[in-house]
Amino acid sequence: DVKVTQSSRYLVKRTGEKVFLECVQDMDHENMFWYRQDPGLGLRLIYFSYDVKMKEKGDIPEGYSVSREKKERFSLILESASTNQTSMYLCASSTHRYEQYFGPGTRLTVT
Amino acid sequence: GQQLNQSPQSMFIQEGEDVSMNCTSSSIFNTWLWYKQEPGEGPVLLIALYKAGELTSNGRLTAQFGITRKDSFLNISASIPSDVGIYFCAGNQFYFGTGTSLTVIP
Repeated sequence: DVKVTQSSRYLVKRTGEKVFLECVQDMDHENMFWYRQDPGLGLRLIYFSYDVKMKEKGDIPEGYSVSREKKERFSLILESASTNQTSMYLCASSTHRYEQYFGPGTRLTVT
Repeated sequence: GQQLNQSPQSMFIQEGEDVSMNCTSSSIFNTWLWYKQEPGEGPVLLIALYKAGELTSNGRLTAQFGITRKDSFLNISASIPSDVGIYFCAGNQFYFGTGTSLTVIP
């Protein structure tokens, strides 16, 4: 069974903290993605990666960075968390086709 | 990024009714996908469409890739309570609609 796991289901952080969200997939997929999901806005792409050490900006990369040192792991970093980054964060992976497999999400609250 | 217009935004239906939702774009896509997200979980792929005009079924779900390649629709027949969730369309790899929230009343 395909599996994408995210390090935390719920996180509460303070403004200004550095936040790491980890995502691991066990399907040997080349492509990995980070989205944020907000009510009424759907899923918005933050960053994606087509290969190890490779990253591309999505629609809303400001305030975020990513790291992909190994094929199975894709990390999202909030260098200095702000309250407007309170959201649900979803990680996904895919092969060369467009079908994505999502993790369960991390609900991040920044206070 | 690309904006996908998904409608309706929400639906409240009786169990047993059929459901129809659609997604439109100002841009052409090579692929349309439909996902379902249940509360507290990530989206799960329901149907993928790769050719204009293609009609594909998955159990009670049927989806079509519009001829213009700018739209797609999803139908659910004879809805049941476990159909509850948010349905998202997606064009190509990572352009998502805003979702249709479906509530099924037993």
